[in-house]
Amino acid sequence: AQSVAQPEDQVNVAEGNPLTVKCTYSVSGNPYLFWYVQYPNRGLQFLLKYITGDNLVKGSYGFEAEFNKSQTSFHLKKPSALVSDSALYFCAVRGTTGGFKTIFGAGTRLFVKA
Amino acid sequence: NAGVMQNPRHLVRRRGQEARLRCSPMKGHSHVYWYRQLPEEGLKFMVYLQKENIIDESGMPKERFSAEFPKEGPSILRIQQVVRGDSAAYFCASSPNSQTGGSKAFFGQGTRLTVV
Repeated sequence: AQSVAQPEDQVNVAEGNPLTVKCTYSVSGNPYLFWYVQYPNRGLQFLLKYITGDNLVKGSYGFEAEFNKSQTSFHLKKPSALVSDSALYFCAVRGTTGGFKTIFGAGTRLFVKA
Repeated sequence: NAGVMQNPRHLVRRRGQEARLRCSPMKGHSHVYWYRQLPEEGLKFMVYLQKENIIDESGMPKERFSAEFPKEGPSILRIQQVVRGDSAAYFCASSPNSQTGGSKAFFGQGTRLTVV
């Protein structure tokens, strides 16, 4: 069965420091992996995706994520956090077998302190 | 507490027909979001609704698409006169209040619309 885990309910980081938001997954076949961000009073916004190719994926707003097949992880990273990065972050996975079904993680709240 | 329920899971429509997608939010949730996912693409925001109100429909196509979230019953995403390009997976999410309240959104399993 497909599943996504975001083990941290909240991540706190100081502005200018690197940030990591963790995501691990379980899926049949090769995964399609996604990160989304949700700002207050807004719907999800797409950040980046991994379909195939380089394990390091670069996305919007300076974010990147590294696909690690052996650890079944897809952690979101940014070298230098901004206060404006404070938001909810969702990881999602879709298997290449079993149809279109996409599973979302529970979300991680990121607080960046000035 | 059941999660967000979407039905049907799969919907096939001929070009020109109407498609109705339903989303029952989690119990106690009064905010609903609709998203569309094209093959190998991420989700794209369509509309954000509260009970009886549309809050943000900036992602909705101007024509043929409409959404509602009545006081009673599920939220409905309605697509009139469907075309092949409407074929996609449509996801719904719900939350108990707005994001400023600190609440997370929970997602349904999606409805796969195929237009033939």
